[in-house]
Amino acid sequence: DSGVTQTPKHLITATGQRVTLRCSPRSGDLSVYWYQQSLDQGLQFLIQYYNGEERAKGNILERFSAQQFPDLHSELNLSSLELGDSALYFCASSVEGSGSPLHFGNGTRLTVT
Amino acid sequence: GNSVTQMEGPVTLSEEAFLTINCTYTATGYPSLFWYVQYPGEGLQLLLKATKADDKGSNKGFEATYRKETTSFHLEKGSVQVSDSAVYFCALSYHGNNRLAFGKGNQVVVIP
Repeated sequence: DSGVTQTPKHLITATGQRVTLRCSPRSGDLSVYWYQQSLDQGLQFLIQYYNGEERAKGNILERFSAQQFPDLHSELNLSSLELGDSALYFCASSVEGSGSPLHFGNGTRLTVT
Repeated sequence: GNSVTQMEGPVTLSEEAFLTINCTYTATGYPSLFWYVQYPGEGLQLLLKATKADDKGSNKGFEATYRKETTSFHLEKGSVQVSDSAVYFCALSYHGNNRLAFGKGNQVVVIP
């Protein structure tokens, strides 16, 4: 058990809809990262938050947004969903300090129909 | 930019065989290097890491050495078991930030 909790495990929704994915980091970790995993693109970094502030942005679409709350949990919002957004979305957390590993949750599998 | 390249295609081998998965990287600065493993239906788990040149990471019989001169971090295990069947990802962390860039992963299938 990594200590990172993601909900829900599975999500099935229709094109054009909006969903919210939730992540609770490991106790004590201030950084949260979101990744998208798909068969064709592999693991793509979306966005990172540190203690409530956006720290780094990757290949995140404008239809997607995220935030980290004062209790350090994070939410990833996906809107105007398209079939191509179907993927596994992982959250990870880490402590600060160069070389600190990321600890991953078990992911949310999103299916857009 | 920073990137990781893993050898193409799945790896199928017999139990007790020697496993090597190649990983090379391109990076600015001095990244840390990692191997993660993903079992079916699960998230990624840290397998091992190395934070500077010539460091060797090891765990559960797996080893990898950070080679700056060849920009490589190849994963090896001397005798694989069926339970080692999984997808293995090589990754590097950006200098000054812990976010990771991943290779495409290698599916390893160990046959009894």
